[in-house]
Amino acid sequence: AQTVTQSQPEMSVQEAETVTLSCTYDTSESDYYLFWYKQPPSRQMILVIRQEAYKQQNATENRFSVNFQKAAKSFSLKISDSQLGDAAMYFCAYRRLTGNTPLVFGKGTRLSVIA
Amino acid sequence: GAVVSQHPSWVICKSGTSVKIECRSLDFQATTMFWYRQFPKQSLMLMATSNEGSKATYEQGVEKDKFLINHASLTLSTLTVTSAHPEDSSFYICSARLSGEGGSPLHFGNGTRLTVT
Repeated sequence: AQTVTQSQPEMSVQEAETVTLSCTYDTSESDYYLFWYKQPPSRQMILVIRQEAYKQQNATENRFSVNFQKAAKSFSLKISDSQLGDAAMYFCAYRRLTGNTPLVFGKGTRLSVIA
Repeated sequence: GAVVSQHPSWVICKSGTSVKIECRSLDFQATTMFWYRQFPKQSLMLMATSNEGSKATYEQGVEKDKFLINHASLTLSTLTVTSAHPEDSSFYICSARLSGEGGSPLHFGNGTRLTVT
């Protein structure tokens, strides 16, 4: 079974600074998807960024980028120019490539942004 | 596109009663929907996979007789918490995938906060 590990229960960052959230996963499959979701206090799950494992290029979405290290099974999220609105729970998630399968989530990292 | 609507957003019920939560895909068809449960300050735990026109697949430890799932159409799945007890109080979230979407993310409803008194 696949597992996702987020080793940082809480992180904080100064406004306008950069922060990196860690995520590792375990799988025996060679192709899969990885995601970062944001959950603000409203508890709405918001997709931040996605990465297909067969793509070597790291995904980027505006201020959000990932460092995908397939051999190390690592998938970290970098938030640049942090804003107050970035404060939320961040969940790393894994999904198999084939079949209509669910997401497997890590335990989450609570990010605080300090003004 | 790919909007998932969940209703109600919150509900309070008395112990022993049943509560139904609806999950609709508004602008796409979803043959499969997923139901998650989230306790305070914890992650999302998959409860079951809801399949249109067939029985749901439940995760280990989830009581299928307590959490009834019906997926009668391509746009609607319902979760009924039967004979609710205070320990069933939680946040329930449904999700679905838009077939053919790049990267295959799941789209989530806004969740339902259930409080059993």
